[in-house]
Amino acid sequence: DVKVTQSSRYLVKRTGEKVFLECVQDMDHENMFWYRQDPGLGLRLIYFSYDVKMKEKGDIPEGYSVSREKKERFSLILESASTNQTSMYLCASSLNRGAVKLFFGSGTQLSVL
Amino acid sequence: QQQVKQSPQSLIVQKGGISIINCAYENTAFDYFPWYQQFPGKGPALLIAIRPDVSEKKEGRFTISFNKSAKQFSLHIMDSQPGDSATYFCAAMRDMRFGAGTRLTVKP
Repeated sequence: DVKVTQSSRYLVKRTGEKVFLECVQDMDHENMFWYRQDPGLGLRLIYFSYDVKMKEKGDIPEGYSVSREKKERFSLILESASTNQTSMYLCASSLNRGAVKLFFGSGTQLSVL
Repeated sequence: QQQVKQSPQSLIVQKGGISIINCAYENTAFDYFPWYQQFPGKGPALLIAIRPDVSEKKEGRFTISFNKSAKQFSLHIMDSQPGDSATYFCAAMRDMRFGAGTRLTVKP
């Protein structure tokens, strides 16, 4: 089965720090996504990528950037962490552009103090 | 701004009852409408999905009803069981936008 691995389950950072959230998938999927999950707001799309070195903004890209240098790895970067970026971050992958099934990682709970 | 609007935010149903969750969208470019189920501590997992050229899709106790003209779709869980207690998200493709989620509790 597809495995999507997020590097940390819990992370605590200070305001202003640069934060890297790493995601790796092991099934040669073309598509990768980053979401944040907040109570009452559901899953909001931050960035996604349909190919290596390709990235597209989702609905809430402000304060975030991404990197996809290799097909299996998609990194989310918080350039200068702020308290309102405290959230659960979920990475997902899917086979290709038409695929309806996303495979999610278990998430990283980020706290920015 | 949520591109897919989901209601209710929470739902409590007795065992054996029917759970109904509703979603609405505006963007007519969306071309596939999945539902995802999430248990605590886990990532969401695909439950069932429907294309807009179909009005209903059933898989076991789970049914999606789709109304293209109204731009609405809903998930019906028949004979709801305590094991169905989870958070449910509707979604719309392209680029997979999700609703705000519904926390379902099925009481024994």
